[in-house]
Amino acid sequence: KAGVTQTPRYLIKTRGQQVTLSCSPISGHRSVSWYQQTPGQGLQFLFEYFSETQRNKGNFPGRFSGRQFSNSRSEMNVSTLELGDSALYLCASSQLGGGTEAFFGQGTRLTVV
Amino acid sequence: QQQVKQSPQSLIVQKGGISIINCAYENTAFDYFPWYQQFPGKGPALLIAIRPDVSEKKEGRFTISFNKSAKQFSLHIMDSQPGDSATYFCAASTPYTGNQFYFGTGTSLTVIP
Repeated sequence: KAGVTQTPRYLIKTRGQQVTLSCSPISGHRSVSWYQQTPGQGLQFLFEYFSETQRNKGNFPGRFSGRQFSNSRSEMNVSTLELGDSALYLCASSQLGGGTEAFFGQGTRLTVV
Repeated sequence: QQQVKQSPQSLIVQKGGISIINCAYENTAFDYFPWYQQFPGKGPALLIAIRPDVSEKKEGRFTISFNKSAKQFSLHIMDSQPGDSATYFCAASTPYTGNQFYFGTGTSLTVIP
């Protein structure tokens, strides 16, 4: 079974630009969660999608948004990039969500210059 | 406010020794406690998980000990190997917030040959 696939693996963007990251969950998994990982703040929850609906949202500004498609693939968008948005963005997939096994992708390393 | 507190921040163990990482929480609604292992440049990998209805779970060299009354849980790595050198994260989730995990700050483990 293929794992969680995140694309692209690396991105360099300029302040003020916007970026879209993609996550393909494990086949059959309906829940996709997104996390931001930085050395200073650790792993922080951004949001979760389940069956194309945002089920939960973390404490991030509205510049961070996402969506999920009918095939469970998810995208995350960050608009008006700031230097502080530089981080490893991880997505995790699980069958049902709600405290079940969650499997992470390799992440997208975003650098904002 | 850190909902899951993890210690130590770093740990150095001799090959063959026991590595112990501790986590504590306050939120009694937490009912699922996974441990993740992360190597540099990779996403976190699910190692082992426990629910509060058991006090211990063992998978190979990895054991979770859970103390519900003290609101603490720990990861024990028996016969630690150099290949175990990685960062370990504890996490917790509630049944009400989907797959939103609250992560500890991580423990960098180094196993010396």
